[in-house]
Parts: sequence; C-alpha cells; structure tokens
Amino acid sequence: LAKTTQPISMDSYEGQEVNITCSHNNIATNDYITWYQQFPSQGPRFIIQGYKTKVTNEVASLFIPADRKSSTLSLPRVSLSDTAVYYCLVGDASQTGANNLFFGTGTRLTVIP
Amino acid sequence: DTGVSQDPRHKITKRGQNVTFRCDPISEHNRLYWYRQTLGQGPEFLTYFQNEAQLEKSRLLSDRFSAERPKGSFSTLEIQRTEQGDSAMYLCASSPGTGIQPQHFGDGTRLSIL
Repeated sequence: LAKTTQPISMDSYEGQEVNITCSHNNIATNDYITWYQQFPSQGPRFIIQGYKTKVTNEVASLFIPADRKSSTLSLPRVSLSDTAVYYCLVGDASQTGANNLFFGTGTRLTVIP
Repeated sequence: DTGVSQDPRHKITKRGQNVTFRCDPISEHNRLYWYRQTLGQGPEFLTYFQNEAQLEKSRLLSDRFSAERPKGSFSTLEIQRTEQGDSAMYLCASSPGTGIQPQHFGDGTRLSIL
C-alpha cells in the first residue's frame, strides 16, 4: 500500500506560489501520482497527474524527483479561490488494485488576502 | 459537460433503516468507484466496478454494504440496517476504462443517521 504523507495545513498570501509536498516512500514502479483539489461539500477535482520529472498544465505543475519517493504540487500565484484541501494519490486501480488507493488526510491550504 | 451525478444529495434516516444511493457516471466511462468520506479525512475506498463487474471491495467493508452496476452504466450503493457510524459523505467517481486515467468525482450523497 503506497501510503502518503502530507502536511496537514498550509497558509499562503494571495499572489504567492505555493508548494505542497507529498511523501510516498513505498511507491511502486508502475504507480502514477495524481493530485486532487476538494472544496467543502463537493467531490475531489482532478488537478494534475504525472509519473516522473515535471508535468505542467494550465493550473499547476508537478515535480517528481528521480527516486519518486515524493512529489510536489506547485500552484502559481494563488488566489482566495484556491483555499481547499489538496490530496495526492499514488497508484491506479488497474495497476495496483483499488484497495491500495490511499487518499490520506490531505493538506488544507488557506489563502490569506 | 455532464459530469458524475449522484442522487440524492442529502439523506437523513433513522438507525436501522436501509438506504440506497444512485450514481450516474460520465457516459462511456467503464470504471466506477464508490468512496466514503468522513469529516477531516480523505475519501476511503469502498468498491470498484469495471463495466458491470464488481472487481474489488474494500477489505474492511461491512456485509451491510452492497453495490450493483447492472448494465455497466449507473450504479447503486445500498446500506442495510444503518448504524450511527455510517454517517458520512458517499462519493462516486468514474474513469475511462483504458490506461492510467484520473477519476472524476460526483459531489456525493451526505448521509445522516439519527
């Protein structure tokens, strides 16, 4: 089971870049890393997914070092609407089995005006 | 954009009653997942379908929980003889059936047991 560890909470001012790191020491060779964002009373929303090195899309970047034992979600210039809980998820049901999918407690990001 | 739809959004029931939730995944998504989420915790896996086949259930899942996906489209999750500890948000997600694909979640059904 590729359990993950994230900081419980983070605060940031508007306009700052935020980096949230997730540790996953037991990641398997075939595991992908996926990050989700969740607002209160809503389901998680996909942000970004990657396997190694760096992935960038229109909302975030994902940095994965060579050993893949951690990953960092980078949110550029956060706004108040980025206040949410962020989860990293390691693995995929088709590869590692759904029983091995572990969301953890996530990181509660609070953006301050 | 027709995302994952869940019904009802809220359910309040007395302890001991049975409840059933429905999930309509994104059209043509072959994989469907059910999760449970309690306050301050991340989603906890319950069960997983590939088309109409239930491929996995959580090792910790009580036998009071059952799920179906009869035609490989919508799915239902039933909880029999509800208990106080069943109070939670029940989330459904779907994903395409091939490759490594992110899951698309619905906004859940919030169950409150009186």
